Amino acid sequence: AQTVTQSQPEMSVQEAETVTLSCTYDTSESDYYLFWYKQPPSRQMILVIRQEAYKQQNATENRFSVNFQKAAKSFSLKISDSQLGDAAMYFCAYRSPGGSNYKLTFGKGTLLTVNP
Amino acid sequence: DAGVTQSPTHLIKTRGQQVTLRCSPKSGHDTVSWYQQALGQGPQFIFQYYEEEERQRGNFPDRFSGHQFPNYSSELNVNALLLGDSALYLCASSDTGQAGYTFGSGTRLTVV
Repeated sequence: AQTVTQSQPEMSVQEAETVTLSCTYDTSESDYYLFWYKQPPSRQMILVIRQEAYKQQNATENRFSVNFQKAAKSFSLKISDSQLGDAAMYFCAYRSPGGSNYKLTFGKGTLLTVNP
Repeated sequence: DAGVTQSPTHLIKTRGQQVTLRCSPKSGHDTVSWYQQALGQGPQFIFQYYEEEERQRGNFPDRFSGHQFPNYSSELNVNALLLGDSALYLCASSDTGQAGYTFGSGTRLTVV
């Protein structure tokens, strides 16, 4: 079974600075998907960024980028130019490529605080 | 374009009662998944419905059951509620073949 570990329960960053959230995972599969989701106090889980394991290039979405290290099974999220609206819980998630396993496996989350 | 809609937003039930939670998927999505998120934890997969059938189930007892309707909307039913069932219940939808999911804002269930 796949597992996802987020070793940082809480992180803080100054507005306009850069912060990196860590995620490691364990799997025996060679192809899979990785995600970072943001959950603000509104509770809705919002997709931040997605990475396909077969792609060597790291995904980027505006101020958000990932460092995907497949051999190390590491998937960190970098937030540049942090904004107050970035404050939220961030969850790393894993998904198998399909076939018979469709679930997302989440880590326990990292609470990000952005200080003005 | 409406996203995923869940109802109700909050619910308080007594131990032993039964509850039904509802989810309308995002327009164009045909697959619905349910997750349970306990306080301070990541979401845990309950089950997924596709073509009105349960396609995959997580490690949850039979007290948790579901249904998907022809219009792709879905219900989550929990029988014989326990205090430990208190959690945020999230619904997520996707289109067949999509890897990612769109989540709703959840239903906060409190069992007293």
